[in-house]
Amino acid sequence: AQSVTQLDSQVPVFEEAPVELRCNYSSSVSVYLFWYVQYPNQGLQLLLKYLSGSTLVKGINGFEAEFNKSQTSFHLRKPSVHISDTAEYFCAVRGSSNTGKLIFGQGTTLQVKP
Amino acid sequence: KAGVTQTPRYLIKTRGQQVTLSCSPISGHRSVSWYQQTPGQGLQFLFEYFSETQRNKGNFPGRFSGRQFSNSRSEMNVSTLELGDSALYLCASSSTGAGETQYFGPGTRLLVL
Repeated sequence: AQSVTQLDSQVPVFEEAPVELRCNYSSSVSVYLFWYVQYPNQGLQLLLKYLSGSTLVKGINGFEAEFNKSQTSFHLRKPSVHISDTAEYFCAVRGSSNTGKLIFGQGTTLQVKP
Repeated sequence: KAGVTQTPRYLIKTRGQQVTLSCSPISGHRSVSWYQQTPGQGLQFLFEYFSETQRNKGNFPGRFSGRQFSNSRSEMNVSTLELGDSALYLCASSSTGAGETQYFGPGTRLLVL
């Protein structure tokens, strides 16, 4: 079984400041890791994913994440945020077997202030 | 390609009724998964269908059921609705599952009165 913990429920940050959204996971099997973003009244959009290979993953909108197997973490970062980045962010894991089941964290609300 | 579409977008029902939600995946995608999103429980996996077969099931009561048709379109049904079933129901599709990206639809917001 897998589980995901997003360590911060809300992260306020000023525009153009850097941000890190933290995610830790637990699993007894190999996993794939994902970050999704959800804007108000919309579905989820994939920001980036880690399947294998380089532990630093770059995604859309300037986001990147680093997979750390020893610390079972997959933190999301952006060097300079914009007002438009205000949204809810979800970290998710999926077993590497042939399944589409995603296990999500509770979400982190990123509030970008002018 | 057109994205994942879900119908209806909004729905109001009363306790005890049943409801059917529909999801049309991206063309060529054979895996469809359903999730329930609530403020209290967050995003929870309901079930996944692949080539008309249920491949995975989450921890939901038997009132929640689904199916997938030969064209990969999927429906989920909730019988005997309860107030706690009020939620955003999200559908996601992918080409095979596993490491492939899941693309989410906009969701159906269900309100049970």
